Amino acid sequence: DTGVSQDPRHKITKRGQNVTFRCDPISEHNRLYWYRQTLGQGPEFLTYFQNEAQLEKSRLLSDRFSAERPKGSFSTLEIQRTEQGDSAMYLCASSFPPLAGFPSGANVLTFGAGSRLTVL
Amino acid sequence: GQQLNQSPQSMFIQEGEDVSMNCTSSSIFNTWLWYKQDPGEGPVLLIALYKAGELTSNGRLTAQFGITRKDSFLNISASIPSDVGIYFCAGPYNAGNMLTFGGGTRLMVKP
Repeated sequence: DTGVSQDPRHKITKRGQNVTFRCDPISEHNRLYWYRQTLGQGPEFLTYFQNEAQLEKSRLLSDRFSAERPKGSFSTLEIQRTEQGDSAMYLCASSFPPLAGFPSGANVLTFGAGSRLTVL
Repeated sequence: GQQLNQSPQSMFIQEGEDVSMNCTSSSIFNTWLWYKQDPGEGPVLLIALYKAGELTSNGRLTAQFGITRKDSFLNISASIPSDVGIYFCAGPYNAGNMLTFGGGTRLMVKP
């Protein structure tokens, strides 16, 4: 399977616990994105990486949220001290970087199936 | 922040009917994307549009990039039950580094 993989698909946790989600992007893609989606809404951008560099993180919801991509391949999204409002689907996506002949191609994101978080 | 407005929010149609939905933005986009999301899954790309006025088809789906570059339309012809899902438009924001999504159009098809 050469798609975007996310793990776990479902996570139920108690308020105050830390959770970590993993994303394995398409191997040819060097951009990786994290989104959050709450019920009835469209995906909301959180952060993205190009290779191992985190180029945008101002949209992370609070300092309890952090993401890493240490070797430029897989990425993790961690939520510390979870709150009930963190319950959502966390989506990972990947894409090619902007290319000289096709800069808009970087906008074409391939999404994983998501990790659904329920905080009790 | 950037907002994309989709309409209608939901549609309940009979199998075989054609469907039309649209998406508008307060800003100009240079790319429009249409995704479909099934319950419990991630969004799947249907059509990508890169040029104002562009009309692109993918099977029974046809999408257009509006001339003003502030809107896009998606049409589905001869709907079938597997068309059920949520359809999202999306466009790049912040120099193309953040894909922004609309609120979605929920499509329900009655066999």
